[in-house]
Amino acid sequence: QPVLTQSPSASASLGASVKFTCTLSTGHSSHAIAWHQQQPEKGPRFLMRLDSDGSHTKGDGIPDRFSGSSSGSERYLTISSLQSEDEAFYYCQTWGTDVVVFGGGTKLTV
Amino acid sequence: QVQLVESGGGVVQPGRSLRLSCAASGFTFSHSAMHWVRQAPGKGLEWVAVISYNGVDKYYGDSVKGRFTISRDNSKNTVYLDIHSARGEDTAIYYCVSLTAPAAIVDALDLWGPGTLVTVSS
Repeated sequence: QPVLTQSPSASASLGASVKFTCTLSTGHSSHAIAWHQQQPEKGPRFLMRLDSDGSHTKGDGIPDRFSGSSSGSERYLTISSLQSEDEAFYYCQTWGTDVVVFGGGTKLTV
Repeated sequence: QVQLVESGGGVVQPGRSLRLSCAASGFTFSHSAMHWVRQAPGKGLEWVAVISYNGVDKYYGDSVKGRFTISRDNSKNTVYLDIHSARGEDTAIYYCVSLTAPAAIVDALDLWGPGTLVTVSS
């Protein structure tokens, strides 16, 4: 089954941009993934489904500031024009035939 | 509106059982695979189980296999998670999650409930 690797933390300033990386394990570089956001004291929220070619489908109400891209085994989430409410954990998620896998999550400090 | 609402959480003694429920509304529940995901205090997300749209196929994470049972009642738009032989490491917020990709069992999980807290303690 695939394994997802994320950096544990990131920081950026208000109004700036930040790019998160989610790396797929060897042999799974063609997998699609999903990105989820978890704000403090809240449940997770689906942001987007991201394919290996970089095409992505966002969840309802997700602002245009959130975008996704791909390169090889890496999947990216970029947030532009950072706002205070973007301070959160960001998790990537993928799947095998009969299993769902999460990355360890990246904590964003704004 | 489109939503999932979990219930049934609380304190359970080690070795005892507990049933969680998740009521769905606003979408065609009987067409959607349903998942449970949990999050221990201060930890990341851990996938627990999935049930196919018709209840035929069920899969579990390694840490709960043999102790947890997932089921659904499409007439009630409800999915259940039975926790048996509860352990301290089962203490977590349990989230009900749906996936709307048609006919898929696993894919991007695209609708989350607010979660229900389970505490295993004597």
